[in-house]
Amino acid sequence: GAVVSQHPSRVICKSGTSVKIECRSLDFQATTMFWYRQFPKKSLMLMATSNEGSKATYEQGVEKDKFLINHASLTLSTLTVTSAHPEDSSFYICSTLTEYYGYTFGSGTRLTVV
Amino acid sequence: LAKTTQPISMDSYEGQEVNITCSHNNIATNDYITWYQQFPSQGPRFIIQGYKTKVTNEVASLFIPADRKSSTLSLPRVSLSDTAVYYCLVGDMKGDSNYQLIWGAGTKLIIKP
Repeated sequence: GAVVSQHPSRVICKSGTSVKIECRSLDFQATTMFWYRQFPKKSLMLMATSNEGSKATYEQGVEKDKFLINHASLTLSTLTVTSAHPEDSSFYICSTLTEYYGYTFGSGTRLTVV
Repeated sequence: LAKTTQPISMDSYEGQEVNITCSHNNIATNDYITWYQQFPSQGPRFIIQGYKTKVTNEVASLFIPADRKSSTLSLPRVSLSDTAVYYCLVGDMKGDSNYQLIWGAGTKLIIKP
């Protein structure tokens, strides 16, 4: 089956720094990738939809200048949390969408901003 | 986009069969019903998907009535490791159209020894 690799699994950073999270599709190509955010004991909330070679589409209320998404290839999308603050601490999950495999989720990244 | 309603939590015991029901009254013709399992600090994991009637795989069964306005995930003989949050989603899972998933609160299933 399809495997999506998300890295790092957890990261701690200082307030004001930037953090990059990678989402890779292994052995398959994904034109569309999604980025979610999940707070403790809450459901997943879609942040943005990323399409290879074009600008990401952000959900209402998500700051595109703070959460930079780059989907430069068919196997890699990155989410960069810029100038991170403690309120950005959360669990971030990516997923791919293909006609053959449907949705496949990464293992998530636990971001803690101190 | 179809919205789903599930019980917030359920308890059961090892070896029992667990049934979790999901309501999706405004499911669209092209929508599939998919269930995911999520453990703490992990991404969701696919369990089962169906369109109508009954689907069974090695881990679960999915029962869908004719009107498709609800579905029931059945986990046979659960174990402690089945303690997780279970999400029911409806949508065009192949991505042809309307491909945004809407995540409900999920059902927190706790299995006791």
